[in-house]
Parts: sequence; structure tokens; C-alpha cells
Amino acid sequence: EIVLTQSPATLSLSPGERATLSCRASQSVSSYLAWYQQKPGQAPRLLIYDASNRATGIPARFSGSGSGTDFTLTISSLEPEDFAVYYCQQRSNWPGGTFGQGTKVEIK
Amino acid sequence: EVQLVESGGVVVQPGGSLRLSCAASGFTFDDYAMHWVRQAPGKGLEWVSLISWDGGSTYYADSVKGRFTISRDNSKNSLYLQMNSLRAEDTALYYCAKDSGDDTVTTSYFDYWGQGTLVTVSS
Repeated sequence: EIVLTQSPATLSLSPGERATLSCRASQSVSSYLAWYQQKPGQAPRLLIYDASNRATGIPARFSGSGSGTDFTLTISSLEPEDFAVYYCQQRSNWPGGTFGQGTKVEIK
Repeated sequence: EVQLVESGGVVVQPGGSLRLSCAASGFTFDDYAMHWVRQAPGKGLEWVSLISWDGGSTYYADSVKGRFTISRDNSKNSLYLQMNSLRAEDTALYYCAKDSGDDTVTTSYFDYWGQGTLVTVSS
């Protein structure tokens, strides 16, 4: 099973700051990686797929990069609504794939 | 507007059975694979099961294989999850999720989610 490790567990930042979230895979997943945002009491929302493609309706301040085993989600300038938990998910070992344990972005 | 509405979650005893349902609207249901994904209270996400657009292919996480059965009724735009031999570790919020692939292609990315239905396995 491919294990995804996200870091840091918690990121404390202020609105307007840049957020950089990391996701590392235990073996190569090529570019088959997605990022999701989950707010309290809500379902996850797809942000990025295939490592760097924004999903429909996702603002340009969200960007993804990486391939192989190391991936990054960057939020260029945090808006108040961006404080949430972010999960990465790989689909390399189709079907379904696995999720990382999440990074919480909280207000500093 | 895509809508996915789950139902059927209740408190059930260990060893019991339960059937979850998901009513879909706002898209051509029989064009897309569908998934169940679960989230234990305060924990992360776990993919549970996938069914192809026509119901001809089904897949399961090892943790539920042999106990859960996914199915769909395209005439009713509905997805189901039959859960047998339930265990305490199956306690979770169960989400119905639409596959993001187009025209019967399965990507195993989830572009729309329901709000979930809570299954609690406890004596």
C-alpha cells in the first residue's frame, strides 16, 4: 500500500500569508495526486487533480506542483475562507487510492 | 447543480447489517463511476468502494472486502452500500462521491460529495 505523509500537521498563518503544504508518497505515484479541502461539518472539496490541475471553480490562488513522491499545495495569499484541513490523495494504485492524514491550516 | 444525498445511517450492533443509499441529481448518473468514502469521527478519509458506470465492475478496500457490497440502479439515479458483519471500526460518516472522469472513464478522483450519513456500530 502506498502511504502518503503530509507535513506539517498544523500550519498557523495569518490572512494574506502564503501557505505551503507538503505531501510525500512512500513510492512514486507519477502525477496521480489530488488535493482536497475540508471545512468543519462539510464534505471535502476537490481543489487540484493530477498534481497541478485546478478543479472547476477553484480560485487561482490555489496551485499544485510535484511528481513522483514529492508534492506541494500552495495557497498564494490566504483568504479567511481558506482556513481548513487539506488532504492529499493518490490514485496510482487504482482503484480508490489512499489519502494523507491531513494538514490543518489555522489562523495565527 | 450536482446533488448527492445519502441516507440510511443509524446506530447498529456489532455483527449487524445496514444498507446506505445515495440519491443523485443534476448530472447524467449512468455516465459516471461512483464511490463510497468514509471518515471516522475526528479522523481522516478512507476510500471504501467503487462501482463502474454500468455496475459491471466493483472494487473494495481490503478493510471491507467480503462484508460490503456496492450496487447502483441507474433507472433511479441511486447508489447503494450493503454493509454486513459490521464492526466497531466501521463507525464513520459515509460519503457518496462522484468520480471526476468523463464519458465512463474512471479517474478515482472525487469531484462531488454528499454531506454524508453517520453509521455508528455499538452495543
